[in-house]
Amino acid sequence: KAGVTQTPRYLIKTRGQQVTLSCSPISGHRSVSWYQQTPGQGLQFLFEYFSETQRNKGNFPGRFSGRQFSNSRSEMNVSTLELGDSALYLCASSWTSGSSDTQYFGPGTRLTVL
Amino acid sequence: TQLLEQSPQFLSIQEGENLTVYCNSSSVFSSLQWYRQEPGEGPVLLVTVVTGGEVKKLKRLTFQFGDARKDSSLHITAAQPGDTGLYLCAGFYGNKLVFGAGTILRVKS
Repeated sequence: KAGVTQTPRYLIKTRGQQVTLSCSPISGHRSVSWYQQTPGQGLQFLFEYFSETQRNKGNFPGRFSGRQFSNSRSEMNVSTLELGDSALYLCASSWTSGSSDTQYFGPGTRLTVL
Repeated sequence: TQLLEQSPQFLSIQEGENLTVYCNSSSVFSSLQWYRQEPGEGPVLLVTVVTGGEVKKLKRLTFQFGDARKDSSLHITAAQPGDTGLYLCAGFYGNKLVFGAGTILRVKS
């Protein structure tokens, strides 16, 4: 069974640009969550999508947005990039939404903002 | 301020030594999880502890959940170089999975 895949794996952008990251969940999983990982702040929850609807949202500015498609694939968009957005962006999938289900993480997309 | 405080932040030990990593909070969690993350990969779930006082073993790894469900520990017996990685504790808080800052473990051969 294929795991969670994320594309691209590495990305370099400049300040002010926007970026779109993609996540394909494990087949059959309907929930996709996104996280930002930095050395200073650690792993922080961005948002969760389930059946194309945003279920939960973390404390990030509106520049961070996402969506989920009918096949459960999800995209995350960051507009007007700032230097502080440099991070590893991880997505995780699970069968259902909520605390009882195991989340499976992808390898992440390493975003560098210059 | 992290909701989940992990200590130590960094641990460098020799192969064969024992170690304990701690995860503490002032809040009660219905469950706590432990993950291991290796460079270039996402975190992988090791265990979920649910009941206060619970002890779970995974080969040389022993996980405990505090009686009050506010803390947890991970003990590794006879550490091996393959145990090297970032260890993270996590728990659901308001339907969001929150993580500790992590403990970087390096086991030297």
